[in-house]
Amino acid sequence: EDKVVQSPLSLVVHEGDTVTLNCSYEVTNFRSLLWYKQEKKAPTFLFMLTSSGIEKKSGRLSSILDKKELFSILNITATQTGDSAIYLCAVPMYSGGGADGLTFGKGTHLIIQP
Amino acid sequence: ETGVTQTPRHLVMGMTNKKSLKCEQHLGHNAMYWYKQSAKKPLELMFVYNFKEQTENNSVPSRFSPECPNSSHLFLHLHTLQPEDSALYLCASSIVGHPYEQYFGPGTRLTVT
Repeated sequence: EDKVVQSPLSLVVHEGDTVTLNCSYEVTNFRSLLWYKQEKKAPTFLFMLTSSGIEKKSGRLSSILDKKELFSILNITATQTGDSAIYLCAVPMYSGGGADGLTFGKGTHLIIQP
Repeated sequence: ETGVTQTPRHLVMGMTNKKSLKCEQHLGHNAMYWYKQSAKKPLELMFVYNFKEQTENNSVPSRFSPECPNSSHLFLHLHTLQPEDSALYLCASSIVGHPYEQYFGPGTRLTVT
């Protein structure tokens, strides 16, 4: 059974701090790993990672994948109160049909204090 | 606006009611998904539709019945639900093929009384 474990489950930091969120996975047929941000309801897509060692970057957010050690990290630098959210890590459950549901971790609840 | 809409946004229903949740995607995708998000649990996959054909039913009870009339619309028909079915129900869509990302709708907050 595919498994995704995120840590920490919750994190409180001050504005301006840098945070690192962790995601480890066990997947039968690895294709990709995805990061989402969930603020109120809809998870919004952040990154998709398929290759080891290649950093994906968007503004203050960046992510990298290690396929050998089966983990990914999401970094947020110079955090702002608007970064407060639940950050979700997910991997597709391979079915062979081209449309695979995602297995999600429990998420990291990040709170940025002013 | 993510291009995936869901209605209603909130729903309260009794255990003997029948209701339906609706999802529509405007992204030109051809795969659609239902997920359930309960308090303190990870998002759980319920159903997958690939080009309107159901390809996955993740051991979901029969009181949940999906319908996908075309690649833009997805429904979840509900009947004789239990209070433990109260949750946020999220719809998502994607293109078929790898790799890809899924885009989520805002969800329907369901309360079963």
